[in-house]
Amino acid sequence: AQTVTQSQPEMSVQEAETVTLSCTYDTSESDYYLFWYKQPPSRQMILVIRQEAYKQQNATENRFSVNFQKAAKSFSLKISDSQLGDAAMYFCAYKKANSKLTFGKGITLSVRP
Amino acid sequence: EAGVTQSPTHLIKTRGQQATLRCSPISGHTSVYWYQQALGLGLQFLLWYDEGEERNRGNFPPRFSGRQFPNYSSELNVNALELEDSALYLCASSDPRGGNYGYTFGSGTRLTVV
Repeated sequence: AQTVTQSQPEMSVQEAETVTLSCTYDTSESDYYLFWYKQPPSRQMILVIRQEAYKQQNATENRFSVNFQKAAKSFSLKISDSQLGDAAMYFCAYKKANSKLTFGKGITLSVRP
Repeated sequence: EAGVTQSPTHLIKTRGQQATLRCSPISGHTSVYWYQQALGLGLQFLLWYDEGEERNRGNFPPRFSGRQFPNYSSELNVNALELEDSALYLCASSDPRGGNYGYTFGSGTRLTVV
């Protein structure tokens, strides 16, 4: 079974600084997809960024980027120029073809003004 | 375009009762997924429906059941409610490409069992 591990339950970052959220996963598959979701206090899960395992290039979306290390099964999220609105719970998730999304337990990110 | 809608927003039930939660996917999405988010436990997969059929089921007892209607909306039923069923229930949908581009989530139903 695939598992997703987010070992840090909480992190804090100063506004305008950069923060990196860690995620590791376990799989025997070679083709799969990885995601980071954000869940603000409104509870709605929002897709932040997506990475396809067969692509070596790290995905980027504006201030959000990932460091995908396939051999190490690591998928970290970097948030640059942190803003107050980035404060939320962040979930790392894994999916292989024809299967469901499997989530980590999440990390609570706070942003200090 | 309307997002994934869930109803009700909040639901309070007594232990032993039944709860029915509803979900309408994004237009064009054929798959619906249900997750339970209990405090401190992350998102636990419950059920996956596609084209009216149950495709996969998480490690939950049979009193958790559901269905998908011809218009792709879905219902989650929880029978014989227990206190530990109190949680946020999230519904998500994906397009016919199988969710490889991610799921779109609703805002959830907060179920409280007293």
